[in-house]
Amino acid sequence: QLVLTQSPSASASLGASVKLTCTLTSGHTSYAIAWHQQQPEKGPRYLMKVNSDGSQNKGDGIPDRFSGSSSGAERYLTISSLQSEDEADYYCQTWGTGIHVVFGGGTKLTVL
Amino acid sequence: QVQLVESGGGVVLPGRSLRLSCAASGFAFSRNGMHWVRQAPGKGLEWVAIIWYDGSKEEYADSVKGRFTISRDNSKNTVDLQMNSLRAEDTAVYYCARERGGYSSGSDALDLWGQGTMVTVSS
Repeated sequence: QLVLTQSPSASASLGASVKLTCTLTSGHTSYAIAWHQQQPEKGPRYLMKVNSDGSQNKGDGIPDRFSGSSSGAERYLTISSLQSEDEADYYCQTWGTGIHVVFGGGTKLTVL
Repeated sequence: QVQLVESGGGVVLPGRSLRLSCAASGFAFSRNGMHWVRQAPGKGLEWVAIIWYDGSKEEYADSVKGRFTISRDNSKNTVDLQMNSLRAEDTAVYYCARERGGYSSGSDALDLWGQGTMVTVSS
């Protein structure tokens, strides 16, 4: 069964960088994932797709401060030069035949 | 403007029905698979259903199979979710979302979301 695992919470200081992790279950380590941001009281926003080779496809208007990468079963979202508006929940998502769509549990990012 | 706008949410008694609608604009709607995703209060995102770009196929989460039906009208750029036999656990914000890419479905990320519509199932 395909499961995406995310830490429930993360924190970093204003202006610093943070790296969020999404881990795929073994046997599914070649899967691409997508990262979505959900600010308080808003709908999700697509940030980017991250492939197993680390290549990424960003959504329109996503700042360069947001980048994705990959290593084995892990997919990463790095946010640099943190701003207050980056305080949000971040979800990873994957898909596949017979799997449909799967979301990770989300990481709540606090900007200190 | 590229956007998805949901409507139709509200408060409904357990066992009753509700129909949600999502209006798409600003892109070639008939090329994309479309999804419904929900989020219970204080919880994470849960996928609900997908309809293929041409309406030829639908798939559902086990939690709603047999109760919910997704449909689309490519001439009107709309995708609907008919929800029957509603339960308290269906209470959530319902989002429609576009699948990235074109002329394929169930094979890429969700890359455009609506603002959501709240459904409350309560007596």
